[in-house]
Amino acid sequence: GENVGLHLPTLSVQEGDNSIINCAYSNSASDYFIWYKQESGKGPQFIIDIRSNMDKRQGQRVTVLLNKTVKHLSLQIAATQPGDSAVYFCAETLKAAGNKLTFGGGTRVLVKP
Amino acid sequence: NAGVMQNPRHLVRRRGQEARLRCSPMKGHSHVYWYRQLPEEGLKFMVYLQKENIIDESGMPKERFSAEFPKEGPSILRIQQVVRGDSAAYFCASSPRQGADTEAFFGQGTRLTVV
Repeated sequence: GENVGLHLPTLSVQEGDNSIINCAYSNSASDYFIWYKQESGKGPQFIIDIRSNMDKRQGQRVTVLLNKTVKHLSLQIAATQPGDSAVYFCAETLKAAGNKLTFGGGTRVLVKP
Repeated sequence: NAGVMQNPRHLVRRRGQEARLRCSPMKGHSHVYWYRQLPEEGLKFMVYLQKENIIDESGMPKERFSAEFPKEGPSILRIQQVVRGDSAAYFCASSPRQGADTEAFFGQGTRLTVV
């Protein structure tokens, strides 16, 4: 549903631990999903993407999992570092819609040294 | 290889004035997308443009807002007669072609404050 201006949920994680960020997407027809990282005062930065015909994709220190049955997406960050502190957004789209993205509400990750 | 350039980074306008936000896409990119972000919220799609064409403006408010992407020069998002509720960060993204598996690169945004 629409975010009505509530504070972002926050995940506090110890440096070196793994982080898991969850996202529920809205459109069962969406066929492409992306995770973005947004640092304060900056634009969203692409982290990793996944197509709907996959259920898992791995990058460098990051893994995205897709569960289409329950319309759930997660981002796992291994060995979280202070530089990972940011707000993380999932986004969904239809290939036919190009880069017209629908963003989720975001999760703030705070890495404790 | 410059990324997506947006200017100004910060813009203050009084109620009733006009705001013009500029976006220069990455070199070789002909597709531009504008998004709006309120504090503590995700980005909301506004409009999708190619050179000289508006492809999808389903996220644009019906009044006061307009966008263009001329053959030469940057894309412009124009807000007439601004109100306090227009205060937000406006982000532009560009891609070389249409297609969800074509990564869109975001600019650093313009933060509009209406006083």
